[in-house]
Amino acid sequence: GAVVSQHPSWVICKSGTSVKIECRSLDFQATTMFWYRQFPKQSLMLMATSNEGSKATYEQGVEKDKFLINHASLTLSTLTVTSAHPEDSSFYICSAPRRGRPPGEKLFFGSGTQLSVL
Amino acid sequence: AQSVTQLDSHVSVSEGTPVLLRCNYSSSYSPSLFWYVQHPNKGLQLLLKYTSAATLVKGINGFEAEFKKSETSFHLTKPSAHMSDAAEYFCVVIQLDSNYQLIWGAGTKLIIKP
Repeated sequence: GAVVSQHPSWVICKSGTSVKIECRSLDFQATTMFWYRQFPKQSLMLMATSNEGSKATYEQGVEKDKFLINHASLTLSTLTVTSAHPEDSSFYICSAPRRGRPPGEKLFFGSGTQLSVL
Repeated sequence: AQSVTQLDSHVSVSEGTPVLLRCNYSSSYSPSLFWYVQHPNKGLQLLLKYTSAATLVKGINGFEAEFKKSETSFHLTKPSAHMSDAAEYFCVVIQLDSNYQLIWGAGTKLIIKP
């Protein structure tokens, strides 16, 4: 089946540094990818929709300059948390829809990245 | 607009007893529905999915869910709980009119008592 690879799985960084998270579709092309964030004891919240070759679409309340998204190719989207602070510590996950198949067959998830900012 | 409601934030059962995790949805379209599980310190894993085929869907690890359109429900069940089932479970509906964006429930934490 289709696979979405996300890494790193874990990252610990100092406050003020930037962290890049990669999401790759391994056996299909993804013109769109979704980035989610999970707050403790809450459900995943959509942060932004990454579009290949164009600007990402951010959800209300998500800082564009804080969470930089680049979808440079049909198989790679990156999320960069810039100048990370402890409140950015969270679980981040990407998903990619695979087109050409019925709804419900289309969405594939990365394994997630646990970010801890010290 | 589509929405998903997981009726219990926590469910606690004894090992070997049945599990019931409740999920209700609202949808303007025939929905596609999923259950995901997140074990501590691990990524999400797809348990099962409903895509307008059989209303009773069997998933991994002995879980199953029944799609009931009249009740707009998609409850997750397992006949006998195991300690390894302790995790957070998410019910999800796919939004067909918005680039297949997912609508997530708030999650239910399943606690297994020895």
